[in-house]
Amino acid sequence: DAGVTQSPTHLIKTRGQQVTLRCSPKSGHDTVSWYQQALGQGPQFIFQYYEEEERQRGNFPDRFSGHQFPNYSSELNVNALLLGDSALYLCASSVGTSGANVLTFGAGSRLTVL
Amino acid sequence: GQQLNQSPQSMFIQEGEDVSMNCTSSSIFNTWLWYKQDPGEGPVLLIALYKAGELTSNGRLTAQFGITRKDSFLNISASIPSDVGIYFCAGQLEPGGTSYGKLTFGQGTILTVHP
Repeated sequence: DAGVTQSPTHLIKTRGQQVTLRCSPKSGHDTVSWYQQALGQGPQFIFQYYEEEERQRGNFPDRFSGHQFPNYSSELNVNALLLGDSALYLCASSVGTSGANVLTFGAGSRLTVL
Repeated sequence: GQQLNQSPQSMFIQEGEDVSMNCTSSSIFNTWLWYKQDPGEGPVLLIALYKAGELTSNGRLTAQFGITRKDSFLNISASIPSDVGIYFCAGQLEPGGTSYGKLTFGQGTILTVHP
């Protein structure tokens, strides 16, 4: 039973470019949350998708957007990349109305912005 | 963004020693969670706490939900080399519904265990 899978695992972009990160949730999960983890810091909540809609959003600018597909997979898009966007981007999946104890994290996508 | 205050930032201990780390917040949380993150991996849940005052164990790990709901601690007894990693506390503010995915994390405690 596959857990949360994310792609790509690593990528390098330059300032001003756009990036798309992908996430497939754990089998049986229908909710996807995205977190940004800067080096040496804890993860910070970006947003959460359920039933193909953004349900909650953290303190991130509109350059960060997302999408959830009918098969529950999700994408995170970041436009006009800044150096400060360099981080590990974590996807976590869960069952919609369950507690946080069933959040399953993927291994992340490491983004480097030059 | 808001983060929990986690201490210590790092710990260097000998194998067999006990470890204690804690987390404090200016906000009340309904749920406290403790995660471990190994290099190249995402956080893995160790212990979840749901009630103020609750004390929960998972093998050599013990965690408590502070009575004020603004703090939590994690103890690891008789540490072993595989305990090495980064430990994060996390709190959940809103109860109910799909808001359960929104966690606020501490800055992490880096644990090094010398054999």
